[in-house]
Amino acid sequence: QKEVEQDPGPLSVPEGAIVSLNCTYSNSAFQYFMWYRQYSRKGPELLMYTYSSGNKEDGRFTAQVDKSSKYISLFIRDSQPSDSATYLCATSGQGAQKLVFGQGTRLTINP
Amino acid sequence: DTAVSQTPKYLVTQMGNDKSIKCEQNLGHDTMYWYKQDSKKFLKIMFSYNNKELIINETVPNRFSPKSPDKAHLNLHINSLELGDSAVYFCASSQSRPDPRSSQPQHFGDGTRLSIL
Repeated sequence: QKEVEQDPGPLSVPEGAIVSLNCTYSNSAFQYFMWYRQYSRKGPELLMYTYSSGNKEDGRFTAQVDKSSKYISLFIRDSQPSDSATYLCATSGQGAQKLVFGQGTRLTINP
Repeated sequence: DTAVSQTPKYLVTQMGNDKSIKCEQNLGHDTMYWYKQDSKKFLKIMFSYNNKELIINETVPNRFSPKSPDKAHLNLHINSLELGDSAVYFCASSQSRPDPRSSQPQHFGDGTRLSIL
């Protein structure tokens, strides 16, 4: 079993829809949770970063962490075609140095 | 101005050759990393250096040897390249903090696409 599980998709939704992306993880020692966005032929770009449980909002993006169920989510409101990319969840233990990534979900927003 | 830059962007070479990839960051960070992303987009850490000292060394063949001449640079040398080494290699950097709760996220370069013929 992988330490971080993420459905690779692909996921295709119409413009303006609310997108929900999810990951589960197995190691209860994980404390840092990140979402990265990766466009084709580019490096991962940090979207959201949270420590421990809770919600964090940044513009159209909301990240949720539920440590009791080891479940992390990213919501995108009013999705735009420019949001089309691969979204990677990542987590790590103390120090946030050894990141463990999910496989990434490929998302397409259709105009 | 690119924060984390890697050279070359593309590398096509024959099996058995030796090659190097270079990474430089201008963010003032003290920790640098090498990751490998396979054809299924799975990103896995290989090495990490903090202030030129190796702190993470995952299960990676000895043919891979990282070198950090200073805090801003991290190179990766690969000997005797094999078909399975074909992947995208990403460099990343971050700033460590005394309090782990305030640790900073990692910033990535755009990758080096290595193809072994």
